[in-house]
Amino acid sequence: DAKTTQPTSMDCAEGRAANLPCNHSTISGNEYVYWYRQIHSQGPQYIIHGLKNNETNEMASLIITEDRKSSTLILPHATLRDTAVYYCIVRVMGNTPLVFGKGTRLSVIA
Amino acid sequence: EPEVTQTPSHQVTQMGQEVILRCVPISNHLYFYWYRQILGQKVEFLVSFYNNEISEKSEIFDDQFSVERPDGSNFTLKIRSTKLEDSAMYFCASSIAGVGETQYFGPGTRLLVL
Repeated sequence: DAKTTQPTSMDCAEGRAANLPCNHSTISGNEYVYWYRQIHSQGPQYIIHGLKNNETNEMASLIITEDRKSSTLILPHATLRDTAVYYCIVRVMGNTPLVFGKGTRLSVIA
Repeated sequence: EPEVTQTPSHQVTQMGQEVILRCVPISNHLYFYWYRQILGQKVEFLVSFYNNEISEKSEIFDDQFSVERPDGSNFTLKIRSTKLEDSAMYFCASSIAGVGETQYFGPGTRLLVL
């Protein structure tokens, strides 16, 4: 079972920042936080990952709390194309399987 | 940008028939995976493959399933005798061997068993 808890759904106005929370209170010291998204029934798309420091790339920012028990994915300027299911996954180091939960369905509204 | 490709995009088959789903992982990747997603349900891990052998498999991956890397580019999933409940999207993924490496997914094959 997934080790994360996410809200079932969220709405965001187009052009505004989308902040998607994730709780992972049982995360271990050697586990990363990964974020993927799935648009319609397409293959999951990698967004970003981190261990304990905040991370930013061209798609998003990842903010991890100091105790690492929760994190927030930030899409700085959401567009309609960001409408998708977003998955927060914790995963040990190494090439281990991804365990997907139900994720958060983000709807970006014009 | 390199990407994982999968063929066919759609496959319709009769119950009891064999199907082979094909994937071309990203060229310098060494770990390969299959996942599936039954309509409306979560994405589920099936199997991982490295150095020409299975690294890990889930309880879904029973004797009806097999994987193979028949050449230097393709990675296949075979279902020997399909059942109605095998109807799902099947996703291939690949990653570079290493610590905590990111898995990149293909677009999927939609399998419908009638």
